[in-house]
Amino acid sequence: NAGVTQTPKFRVLKTGQSMTLLCAQDMNHEYMYWYRQDPGMGLRLIHYSVGEGTTAKGEVPDGYNVSRLKKQNFLLGLESAAPSQTSVYFCASVRTSGSTDTQYFGPGTRLTVL
Amino acid sequence: AQTVTQSQPEMSVQEAETVTLSCTYDTSESDYYLFWYKQPPSRQMILVIRQEAYKQQNATENRFSVNFQKAAKSFSLKISDSQLGDAAMYFCAYTRKAYKYIFGTGTRLKVLA
Repeated sequence: NAGVTQTPKFRVLKTGQSMTLLCAQDMNHEYMYWYRQDPGMGLRLIHYSVGEGTTAKGEVPDGYNVSRLKKQNFLLGLESAAPSQTSVYFCASVRTSGSTDTQYFGPGTRLTVL
Repeated sequence: AQTVTQSQPEMSVQEAETVTLSCTYDTSESDYYLFWYKQPPSRQMILVIRQEAYKQQNATENRFSVNFQKAAKSFSLKISDSQLGDAAMYFCAYTRKAYKYIFGTGTRLKVLA
């Protein structure tokens, strides 16, 4: 049971390049989330999904897109990276729908946009 | 809108001593959940303790305990017998619905040998 995994762990992009971050969970969790963490700002929600095939915007969605084609995977895409997207990105999942439960986090991806 | 405030950007504690980290939140709901997460230098977010608002009893996990004051909307974390491995960023978080978790800005805890 690997829990929540993220690929890659580190990435450096040039402005305007695109990339996809992959989050995978093997706990059969319904809800999945993408956050970004910046110094002094805690975690801010980018997008989330309440089930396979569904996505919704969080607090800071601009410049990002997501997809949840399979229940276990949640992809975060940057179509045209900007230096303001330099951050640490965390994926998380929650066990059950219809109830409030503890989030389980992946190890994070450090992204630098030059 | 719900907010979570951690007013202490940084705290220090001597090894084996006790330290309390503060967290206040704002909500109009009566049923919700509160969490403390630890983030060591590895960046991994680790759940420390969880409190359900409808439970009056304060949650405890080994050396970690909370002081949950619902009327005051306060949720502080007490770490007893502090250890070097407790050094980390600590985040307080609130949720009412599973799709919306609100995090504070964190408190960096230093443990002095």
